[in-house]
Amino acid sequence: QTVVTQEPSLTVSPGGTVTLTCASSTGAVTSGYYPNWFQQKPGQAPRALIYSTSNKHSWTPARFSGSLLGGKAALTLSGVQPEDEAEYYCLLYYGGAYVFGTGTKVTVL
Amino acid sequence: QLQLQESGPGLVKTSETLSLTCTVSGGSISSSYYYWGWIRQPPGKGLEWIGSIYYSGSTYNNPSLKSRVNISVDTSKNQFSLKLSSVTAADTAVYYCARLRAATSDFDYWGQGALVTVSS
Repeated sequence: QTVVTQEPSLTVSPGGTVTLTCASSTGAVTSGYYPNWFQQKPGQAPRALIYSTSNKHSWTPARFSGSLLGGKAALTLSGVQPEDEAEYYCLLYYGGAYVFGTGTKVTVL
Repeated sequence: QLQLQESGPGLVKTSETLSLTCTVSGGSISSSYYYWGWIRQPPGKGLEWIGSIYYSGSTYNNPSLKSRVNISVDTSKNQFSLKLSSVTAADTAVYYCARLRAATSDFDYWGQGALVTVSS
């Protein structure tokens, strides 16, 4: 069974920068996995942030960016705001099937 | 503005079949650009993709759930549905429906979610 692994938790100061990663148990993540990133706050549905590695939706704040980093998908938050405190999930495509990452809890402190 | 809304019983008995419907408004479910998907989230846990369907009826399901999952589409009502059979307490979760863009394999619009509790 394919497992997609993320850091369980990260802490960042307001105005700081933090990078979350998304690793696949099958090997290096490439653009062919169409990495997605989602933000989820308590009691809310996930909100799409990034698709196809680095593309932003019309509603995605400019401080969020996606990339590939060292064989993983990555989400970087620059100039972090208090409202960015949330759970973040990546999603990878495996030829007709999708697997979500384990999630990263980002705390802004 | 596209909207998706889940509906269905909030309580299902163990071993029975969970049934949910997603109603799409503000857009056509018959568009060739999109699939439509189901995702769930057990309380306090992560997200799990259940399956996706095209307006033609072709489906892709999570292998771990495949034998219990049936996803169907009703283009006349702009709805798609999920049936999950032989449920147990482990199927207790918030169930989300979402739009899946075929070209970029991304879920862009989501419903608000529906909590389904499985109990005897």
